[in-house]
Amino acid sequence: AQSVSQHNHHVILSEAASLELGCNYSYGGTVNLFWYVQYPGQHLQLLLKYFSGDPLVKGIKGFEAEFIKSKFSFNLRKPSVQWSDTAEYFCAVSGGYNNNDMRFGAGTRLTVKP
Amino acid sequence: ETGVTQSPTHLIKTRGQQVTLRCSSQSGHNTVSWYQQALGQGPQFIFQYYREEENGRGNFPPRFSGLQFPNYSSELNVNALELDDSALYLCASSKLAGGWGSNTGELFFGEGSRLTVL
Repeated sequence: AQSVSQHNHHVILSEAASLELGCNYSYGGTVNLFWYVQYPGQHLQLLLKYFSGDPLVKGIKGFEAEFIKSKFSFNLRKPSVQWSDTAEYFCAVSGGYNNNDMRFGAGTRLTVKP
Repeated sequence: ETGVTQSPTHLIKTRGQQVTLRCSSQSGHNTVSWYQQALGQGPQFIFQYYREEENGRGNFPPRFSGLQFPNYSSELNVNALELDDSALYLCASSKLAGGWGSNTGELFFGEGSRLTVL
């Protein structure tokens, strides 16, 4: 069955610490990969996406993610987090054998302490 | 702002009732997807509509149904409400190129309709 797994439920960091959030997927075929962020009280918005090409993709606000096909992973990274990065982060996958929907992981809540 | 609007923003229903949620998609988008997000969970795919037809469905029972209109707006209907239907219902629009091809576009989400079933 198609699935998306996010390893960390809640991550707490101090400002300026480095961040890596794990995401693994189980899909057949070609996939498109996304990271979405949900700030408190706001709608889901796109951080970055991977369709093809360079497996290291850069998104908004200094975030980046690396697609490792052999590991079915798409981990999100940021070298130095800020208090304003406090939010819920969702990994999502579309494509595979079912091309018509996007599936989300359970999310990782990031709390950045000032 | 994404240009995707949902109504109502909050509503309370009792078990067994029916509810209709509405969504206006972003200009230029032809596809609407509906998601259910329970508290502390990721969005769960309900279904997608393209050209006024259901174009994919997640693991939800038939009492979850939908419509898409010629202007690409959409409705989500839930019959025989259960307590577990309490959740945030998200609508997302996108531009699907060519129907059954891969949805390579990002989804643009509305702020959701929060449904409480008592």
